[in-house]
Amino acid sequence: QSVLTQPPSVSGAPGQRVTISCTGNSSNFGAGYDVHWYQQLPGAAPKLLIYSNTNRPSGVPDRFSGSKSGTSASLAISGLRPEDEADYYCQSFDTSLRRCVFGGGTKLTVL
Amino acid sequence: QVQLVESGGGVVQPGRSLRLSCAASGFTFSNYALHWVRQAPGKGLEWVAVISYDGNSQHFADSVKGRFTISRDDSKNTLSLQMNSLRVEDTAVYFCARRSITTNIASYYIDVWGKGTTVIVSS
Repeated sequence: QSVLTQPPSVSGAPGQRVTISCTGNSSNFGAGYDVHWYQQLPGAAPKLLIYSNTNRPSGVPDRFSGSKSGTSASLAISGLRPEDEADYYCQSFDTSLRRCVFGGGTKLTVL
Repeated sequence: QVQLVESGGGVVQPGRSLRLSCAASGFTFSNYALHWVRQAPGKGLEWVAVISYDGNSQHFADSVKGRFTISRDDSKNTLSLQMNSLRVEDTAVYFCARRSITTNIASYYIDVWGKGTTVIVSS
């Protein structure tokens, strides 16, 4: 059972917009800790996608955006492309557990 | 370019030990805290351990506490994970990962990942 809760799967057609939710609690998001998102393509290592709630590293398309409010966060992907098909993970820090925590991951399928 | 390359994975029997290494290049190694993160087959990411930039502080997941140790050799730009008393449930791909540098402690994230090394614990 992950500390951060994500839906196991989402799907969308090419060109559509999808969102992936990440629900935390008062010990992580509610305590002011930021959310970060990683993309893991099949057979590859994770890659930083969004950091500090809303920021994109250099090279990440602006089709990817993040937000956080209260104890919830979300990743939005607009203009879906087949190459976006991957697993997506949210991550934060939990002050109660005193450690880095990940969501369980969400598999995005591009129909 | 910035790179982390893990090695040392393999097949090991339950109860035995294994030592993983991570060779870093392309950045000032001694400035960064470093993590180990693992991924069991078909499962999500699980944080394992972190060591501070100066090596003075280490933290571990409850699942490995007392069995795993993390260390660094700044002279060799190398991070290590000593895994003792291995269990079947330790089977996973182990990733070495660099923690971002930021003055905002509420915003630590992983900005660089290695490709991982596979550990299989099986009799």
